[in-house]
Formats: sequence, structure tokens, C-alpha cells
Amino acid sequence: SQQGEEDPQALSIQEGENATMNCSYKTSINNLQWYRQNSGRGLVHLILIRSNEREKHSGRLRVTLDTSKKSSSLLITASRAADTASYFCATSPNFGNEKLTFGTGTRLTIIP
Amino acid sequence: DSGVTQTPKHLITATGQRVTLRCSPRSGDLSVYWYQQSLDQGLQFLIQYYNGEERAKGNILERFSAQQFPDLHSELNLSSLELGDSALYFCASSVEATGPWLGYTFGSGTRLTVV
Repeated sequence: SQQGEEDPQALSIQEGENATMNCSYKTSINNLQWYRQNSGRGLVHLILIRSNEREKHSGRLRVTLDTSKKSSSLLITASRAADTASYFCATSPNFGNEKLTFGTGTRLTIIP
Repeated sequence: DSGVTQTPKHLITATGQRVTLRCSPRSGDLSVYWYQQSLDQGLQFLIQYYNGEERAKGNILERFSAQQFPDLHSELNLSSLELGDSALYFCASSVEATGPWLGYTFGSGTRLTVV
């Protein structure tokens, strides 16, 4: 079963615009992670935010976490064609990063 | 190259057959995780091994089994294959640490097609 649900399922924006995708989860977590997957390829770890953190930045990525609402958002600023991919949130319910549970993913398309 | 090696990249086999998927974790990583990705089920956790021992089990079918060897590489065995087993199978590895966790490192996957 999926722990997280991403919203929207698909998103198309013009190059240079910002992209925001959201993730909701059901149970308490230790940390939440975001991954990118290019079509048919392996997933690439983007960023990890711990349950006691509210916001984290990495380059053009900004992640927020609201544990009271059990939700997270990923913002990609100044999007590029190379950002076209599927983005997944993943939650770790235990102490450590054992058996991450992945959401359903958001398919992001950047239009040149 | 992520450092996690999966072989083969593609596999086509007939129903009822048995296949073995292989994964070599990133150097220094003791944990190996197997995931199945299909269009209808998304990414499903199958099983985790840590330093040779099974550590966690997900929705893994009885027809599937795995093991991790002393050199830390892992194999996922799928038997009595059905059409519905067609999917991408990913291996991931991670560092077991008491400090901040760095997430998983995924391999490029094995695409299994059962015909």
C-alpha cells in the first residue's frame, strides 16, 4: 500500500517557471525524502527532511514539512527541461531509513 | 553511475519460469532493499537485508525469495512467473548509521517481461 499520495498526479509548466508538488502521508514519520525518476530509470535521492524540521533547501529545491497536517511540498524554482521526470515522496516510519514507503508520484513535464 | 549495480538490465521470460536478479550495493553500504515498480501498484517494498540477515519484509509473494551473501551482493529469485510479475525491479542500498540518514541509492533496475 502507498503511504504517500502526491498531488498533482501530473504537472506541465513552461521552462523557467516554478513547480510545486505536494505529498500527504498517513502515519507518523521519522523523516520524509524526495526522489526523482527519469523515465524507466532508477530513482535519485534529492533531499531529506527530518520530522523536527520545517523547511530545507538544496540548490533550486525547497522542501517544507508540516507534521500536523502530515504533508510536505517540493518546490523546484526556475525549472529546466532537464527537470522533466517523475517525483516521489517517501516516508520512513522507523528510527533510521529502513523500508521507505513511496508515494504515487507526480509526473512533471517542463515545456521548452 | 550510482554505485549500485543491477544485472541483467532486461529480462524476457515465459510464464512458469524462474529468474534470478542480482544486485551489488554501493561500496560500504550494508543494507540492500528490493522494490517492485509496476504501473498499477507503484513502488512496492519487497524485502530488506542487512549484513546478510533479513531485516524487513514487505508484500513479497511466496514465489519470490531473496538472500544477501557474505560479499553483500544480493539476489532476488522469482519463480513460477506470471504475466502480472512483469515490472521494473529495483535494488537500493543505504548506509546504516546512527547520525543523519542519507537516503537510498538506487540501481538502474531490471526490467522483467513475462510472456
